[in-house]
Amino acid sequence: EDQVTQSPEALRLQEGESSSLNCSYTVSGLRGLFWYRQDPGKGPEFLFTLYSAGEEKEKERLKATLTKKESFLHITAPKPEDSATYLCAVSSSASKIIFGSGTRLSIRP
Amino acid sequence: SQTIHQWPATLVQPVGSPLSLECTVEGTSNPNLYWYRQAAGRGLQLLFYSVGIGQISSEVPQNLSASRPQDRQFILSSKKLLLSDSGFYLCAWSVGVFTGNSPLHFGNGTRLTVT
Repeated sequence: EDQVTQSPEALRLQEGESSSLNCSYTVSGLRGLFWYRQDPGKGPEFLFTLYSAGEEKEKERLKATLTKKESFLHITAPKPEDSATYLCAVSSSASKIIFGSGTRLSIRP
Repeated sequence: SQTIHQWPATLVQPVGSPLSLECTVEGTSNPNLYWYRQAAGRGLQLLFYSVGIGQISSEVPQNLSASRPQDRQFILSSKKLLLSDSGFYLCAWSVGVFTGNSPLHFGNGTRLTVT
């Protein structure tokens, strides 16, 4: 059965303190891995798609990487406005798009 | 550019009452449309998806139904709400259906509370 697990569930950082969020997946035939940002009371906002191991994508202070078993969302020198829940999702050949439960990121000024 | 609208933003309904949530997409033709439910601390659960007018696939047997009367309109309904139907309902669209190069694009959701 395809699975997506995100860790940690919650992460509190000081402004400027870099860190990484993890998304581990077990799927049969990865078609794509997606990262989303979700603000409270809003729908998820699409950030990146990664297709194959070794691929990297960047957007401002965010950088997403992909291996055969997991993806990392690195956040460099975060600011309070980066506070949000970050969701990971995978599309596989055997199932619909599956979402992880997310990491709640809080950046203190 | 494409935009997706969901309404209402919040809704409080008594148990046993009917439900109708509406979603429309602008700026694209023949979108694939989806209804998801998000419970606190849990991942998004796919409820229904549609690849065309009148074509509905149900993922979870439940108290809800979906309809697509027009190309860019998707409706989530219930005849009688249960307490367990409370949650955050999200509509989404995509170009391809469950393909790696076709991410979902979400509306801002409806917070439903069944009392």
